[in-house]
Amino acid sequence: GENVEQHPSTLSVQEGDSAVIKCTYSDSASNYFPWYKQELGKGPQLIIDIRSNVGEKKDQRIAVTLNKTAKHFSLHITETQPEDSAVYFCAANTYSSASKIIFGSGTRLSIRP
Amino acid sequence: DSGVTQTPKHLITATGQRVTLRCSPRSGDLSVYWYQQSLDQGLQFLIQYYNGEERAKGNILERFSAQQFPDLHSELNLSSLELGDSALYFCASSTGQEGNEQFFGPGTRLTVL
Repeated sequence: GENVEQHPSTLSVQEGDSAVIKCTYSDSASNYFPWYKQELGKGPQLIIDIRSNVGEKKDQRIAVTLNKTAKHFSLHITETQPEDSAVYFCAANTYSSASKIIFGSGTRLSIRP
Repeated sequence: DSGVTQTPKHLITATGQRVTLRCSPRSGDLSVYWYQQSLDQGLQFLIQYYNGEERAKGNILERFSAQQFPDLHSELNLSSLELGDSALYFCASSTGQEGNEQFFGPGTRLTVL
């Protein structure tokens, strides 16, 4: 069935360094790829999304890239700060048996001071 | 604050019991989605309603059911509860039916003893 794989499952970076999280998806019809940030005790928050008609999108320190040919997309966080510590989920929509969003398994990002 | 509200915040019950979780979507949103998040697990899509009608189903057990009312709020009913049903249950909403740009509520933590 449809699947979204996410790596790494945990990531620790020094404050100020960059963090990269990578995802792959299986449904070639997918055309919407959101990223969510989940802080402890809270619901996931949409932080950025990209559609298949663009290859890259930036929002301040956050950027997402998409390679439709390879079915890869990535989240890049630059100049990391302590408040970036959270669990990040990638997701992709799929049209198999009705449109829905499939989430990756999550990446726990820790920022070391 | 996403604008999505969920009640109750916490729920503790016993095996074999039935509970109802409630969700109010953001103003103007017609779609409601339910997700289950077990400890250290990703987000498992359960079911989606759009404007009162069931639109998509995920890995929802037969013991679970949901509905969306004319005022667009939704309820998730969990019956014959088992220990393994202990999890965070999130509701999300979006304007359209395609699953894009979902906004999540704060979740209901269900503990089955």
